Amino acid sequence: NAGVMQNPRHLVRRRGQEARLRCSPMKGHSHVYWYRQLPEEGLKFMVYLQKENIIDESGMPKERFSAEFPKEGPSILRIQQVVRGDSAAYFCASSPVGRRQGETQYFGPGTRLLVL
Amino acid sequence: QKEVEQNSGPLSVPEGAIASLNCTYSDRGSQSFFWYRQYSGKSPELIMFIYSNGDKEDGRFTAQLNKASQYVSLLIRDSQPSDSATYLCALGGNKLIFGAGTRLAVHP
Repeated sequence: NAGVMQNPRHLVRRRGQEARLRCSPMKGHSHVYWYRQLPEEGLKFMVYLQKENIIDESGMPKERFSAEFPKEGPSILRIQQVVRGDSAAYFCASSPVGRRQGETQYFGPGTRLLVL
Repeated sequence: QKEVEQNSGPLSVPEGAIASLNCTYSDRGSQSFFWYRQYSGKSPELIMFIYSNGDKEDGRFTAQLNKASQYVSLLIRDSQPSDSATYLCALGGNKLIFGAGTRLAVHP
């Protein structure tokens, strides 16, 4: 049973470029979460999605960041016009059910974004 | 604003000893609590979750929850050098709220 898949594992972008991070949830899981971990800091929630719906985007920066989870295909976290401060590890997690308290989330290997 | 507090460490323990990792939280309404382990450069790995007051044991790991004191802890018995990692406490719900993590170093 494959776990949460993320690609690419490492991504290098120059300032002003776009970064696209992909996440495929575990089989049977329909809820996806994105978290960011800045260097030497803790994990911070960004966004929670179900298929074709954004449920909670309270952790997303107001500008340049967007996320989607289409009916077909992986979830995408998109960062436009990247800046050096976007350099971080971006983790995706999935769960089978999102609304129930305590539903366990399983993490993917992460994408390490480096902005030059 | 829900908050989770952890001592950043490092917590250094000798091999074979019990490591005790602690976490306090601000939201009295929190119902579920998770412990994740994160090795350097890797993703968080679920160790345990706990919902009810008291102790929950799984192998060498014991999670303890005291909702009245808003306190959750993780005990690791017979610590091994391979347990050296950062341990993250998280409040559950639609999104996980993480503490900053405690670095554990188990020395031979």
